[in-house]
Amino acid sequence: SQQGEEDPQALSIQEGENATMNCSYKTSINNLQWYRQNSGRGLVHLILIRSNEREKHSGRLRVTLDTSKKSSSLLITASRAADTASYFCATASDSNYQLIWGAGTKLIIKP
Amino acid sequence: EPEVTQTPSHQVTQMGQEVILRCVPISNHLYFYWYRQILGQKVEFLVSFYNNEISEKSEIFDDQFSVERPDGSNFTLKIRSTKLEDSAMYFCASRQHYGYTFGSGTRLTVV
Repeated sequence: SQQGEEDPQALSIQEGENATMNCSYKTSINNLQWYRQNSGRGLVHLILIRSNEREKHSGRLRVTLDTSKKSSSLLITASRAADTASYFCATASDSNYQLIWGAGTKLIIKP
Repeated sequence: EPEVTQTPSHQVTQMGQEVILRCVPISNHLYFYWYRQILGQKVEFLVSFYNNEISEKSEIFDDQFSVERPDGSNFTLKIRSTKLEDSAMYFCASRQHYGYTFGSGTRLTVV
């Protein structure tokens, strides 16, 4: 079954602007994680937010989690060309830590 | 920072051949995983491994697939008789607590 679903599927913004990506999921979770993937490359862990947390920051990244709406958002502030990548959310449940992935948001930062 | 290392980075094989994908997880991690990503699609869970045995596997992980931790450091994924549809990026991951660390992947092309 599909768990994480990101929107938008693609986002193109100017360098310096903020980028917001959303993720929705269906079942209860232990934590939600965001990853970045440059084209055809590896998965880079960005940030993990637990189900009892509402917001988390890491550098230019801000993640929110709303368990009542089963949704999360990833905000990248002051975007840079190097932020161009696909961003995925993945959820882990309490019963197992197998990650269930969304389809990703392709982010393009225009210089 | 500790890394998960995967080799080879690229592998081209003929249909029907056996392939072994290799991974060296982070040394003090206890949980090991294989995921795959068919080009342009979601990342999919294949198998998890803990305490020297498979703890969970997905429907994808059929009899053609096997995993081993032969020497306490390496973690391998074997595909016995590859099919065209096995072409994908294969990611190894390990974790100690909540957060995963992924390797940079092996791109497998079956021709």
